[in-house]
Amino acid sequence: SYVLTQPPSVSVAPGKTARITCGGNNIGSKGVHWYQQKPGQAPLLVMYYDSDRPSGIPERFSGSKSGNTATLSISWVEAGDEAEYYCQVFDDSSDLPDFGGGTKLTVL
Amino acid sequence: QVQLQESGPGLVKPSETLSLTCTVSGDSVSSYYWSWIRQPPGKGLEWIGYIYNSGFTKYNPSLKSRVTISGDTSKNQFSLKVSSVTAADTAVYYCARDLISGGLDVWGQGTTVTVSS
Repeated sequence: SYVLTQPPSVSVAPGKTARITCGGNNIGSKGVHWYQQKPGQAPLLVMYYDSDRPSGIPERFSGSKSGNTATLSISWVEAGDEAEYYCQVFDDSSDLPDFGGGTKLTVL
Repeated sequence: QVQLQESGPGLVKPSETLSLTCTVSGDSVSSYYWSWIRQPPGKGLEWIGYIYNSGFTKYNPSLKSRVTISGDTSKNQFSLKVSSVTAADTAVYYCARDLISGGLDVWGQGTTVTVSS
């Protein structure tokens, strides 16, 4: 399976920008999706195909990719952004989706 | 508005078969891909498998020998079976619509399954 590496945790002060990374070999050739999961809730798609925002997701959320790393950025972080964030790709070589291990975002 | 709802027993005995159903409203299971994902307590997301075109399936290699996903277009449902369960199969099980290039855009609320005697 395709390995996606995320930092276990990221901390940021309110009003600042949080950056959550997702590393994978040749990730530049794959579409990366991002999910937000709050305790007791199902995951919510917040970014698809690297940098497209689903309807209803604030513009504060953005996505990018460089080299072997994809990044989810959250600007003007609010307390309500505190959650676990997962990256995911669809591996074309195996026709299988894969998830990163998740990053816990803490708002200080 | 597309909605998904998981249903099935919340408690399964070791060595038995876990069976769950996902009922889809607002879309047809004949379209797109439809996935099962699980999340053990305190852990991350694990993709189990998907079904598309009402009958083609793909499974996580680590679970492939024990997993079956099937679809019922007449009821607009798709189902999951995991055989020979152990405590390691205890998890919240989610069903979701998978747009592939658009991600898993709609999820069910999840259902907790505990494997215990």
